[in-house]
Amino acid sequence: SQQGEEDPQALSIQEGENATMNCSYKTSINNLQWYRQNSGRGLVHLILIRSNEREKHSGRLRVTLDTSKKSSSLLITASRAADTASYFCATDARSGYSTLTFGKGTMLLVSP
Amino acid sequence: DTAVSQTPKYLVTQMGNDKSIKCEQNLGHDTMYWYKQDSKKFLKIMFSYNNKELIINETVPNRFSPKSPDKAHLNLHINSLELGDSAVYFCASSQGSGGPYNSPLHFGNGTRLTVT
Repeated sequence: SQQGEEDPQALSIQEGENATMNCSYKTSINNLQWYRQNSGRGLVHLILIRSNEREKHSGRLRVTLDTSKKSSSLLITASRAADTASYFCATDARSGYSTLTFGKGTMLLVSP
Repeated sequence: DTAVSQTPKYLVTQMGNDKSIKCEQNLGHDTMYWYKQDSKKFLKIMFSYNNKELIINETVPNRFSPKSPDKAHLNLHINSLELGDSAVYFCASSQGSGGPYNSPLHFGNGTRLTVT
């Protein structure tokens, strides 16, 4: 069954604003990863946060992880039109040979 | 110098035909994958190979047969194509033999398959 669920499904903001996307998952994880997908392209890895980490930063990106609530958030600060893309969370389940399970994504539109 | 490359980018074919999609990675990764993305952008794992060995086969119909001639290549052959096979197929790779634990996936740009 699908592991990650992003919220909201779509988000429309103006350049300069912050964008927050949330992800909830169901089972225990080794790590959680966020990816970006531009239209017509493959997914690009943004950031990986391990199950024993609570927050991670990379440039304008900030990811939090709350394993007690089985949720994560991705914050993009000072958004730009070039940030327009779909954003996916993916989880790597603890049991068995692991593989990434993706959510359905949040479509972010940043208007100039 | 594309890291994960797959061909063709677009594939339009009729029901019942057989087609192949090729994938190559030059990252030296041990593990390669095929994912299917449907029209609602949901990505689902199909296969995972580690050093040419099949690791994961996620209840994919027998019409889909992956082949890995070496660890840098993972091709996907599809027999007797059906309308429901229309989707975007992504090849990906990751470092290490334990799956994506602490190791991100590198994706190709996808092959958009349209079955008419």
